[in-house]
Amino acid sequence: GEDVEQSLFLSVREGDSSVINCTYTDSSSTYLYWYKQEPGAGLQLLTYIFSNMDMKQDQRLTVLLNKKDKHLSLRIADTQTGDSAIYFCAESPGSGNTGKLIFGQGTTLQVKP
Amino acid sequence: NAGVTQTPKFQVLKTGQSMTLQCAQDMNHEYMSWYRQDPGMGLRLIHYSVGAGITDQGEVPNGYNVSRSTTEDFPLRLLSAAPSQTSVYFCASSPHTVETQYFGPGTRLLVL
Repeated sequence: GEDVEQSLFLSVREGDSSVINCTYTDSSSTYLYWYKQEPGAGLQLLTYIFSNMDMKQDQRLTVLLNKKDKHLSLRIADTQTGDSAIYFCAESPGSGNTGKLIFGQGTTLQVKP
Repeated sequence: NAGVTQTPKFQVLKTGQSMTLQCAQDMNHEYMSWYRQDPGMGLRLIHYSVGAGITDQGEVPNGYNVSRSTTEDFPLRLLSAAPSQTSVYFCASSPHTVETQYFGPGTRLLVL
């Protein structure tokens, strides 16, 4: 079945890099996403990567995709206290387009001053 | 554009009561979805729709009904609320390319 796994918690110091990891099971997923959720708020799309790409960089964010191992990571450079939030990895399962997303449990990122 | 709107923001129900969570989008998106978010479990898909008149079940559909009579609206109905349905509910919409989904602000539901 479709499943997305993430570690639950990560703590870093301000200015360090953060790396949040995710594994997924559906090898036919077309897109993989990273969402950010701040306390009491909805989900904000941070970035996404198409399945035929290995890497995508967007300012402080770098997404790496290892399709062979079904492993996705999000690196945040120069992490700031404002980056403290829950980060969700999600896949769009199947090769077709259904509008479905399967989410991981979320990784809580704590940034210490 | 208002984006994706959800009403109400908060709701308290008694076990057995029924209610409808409203979701609307003004972006002419074909795809709409409902998720519930529970602590430590991420978001789980309840129902989704790929266009007006078409709906399908997600991971956790039991206890919920949906309909999609218009492109804009995708209401979620709880026919007989149970405490296990206490959660935060998010509605999302996307164009058919699914490069991104736009999420509403959420509805916090407490069932006593």
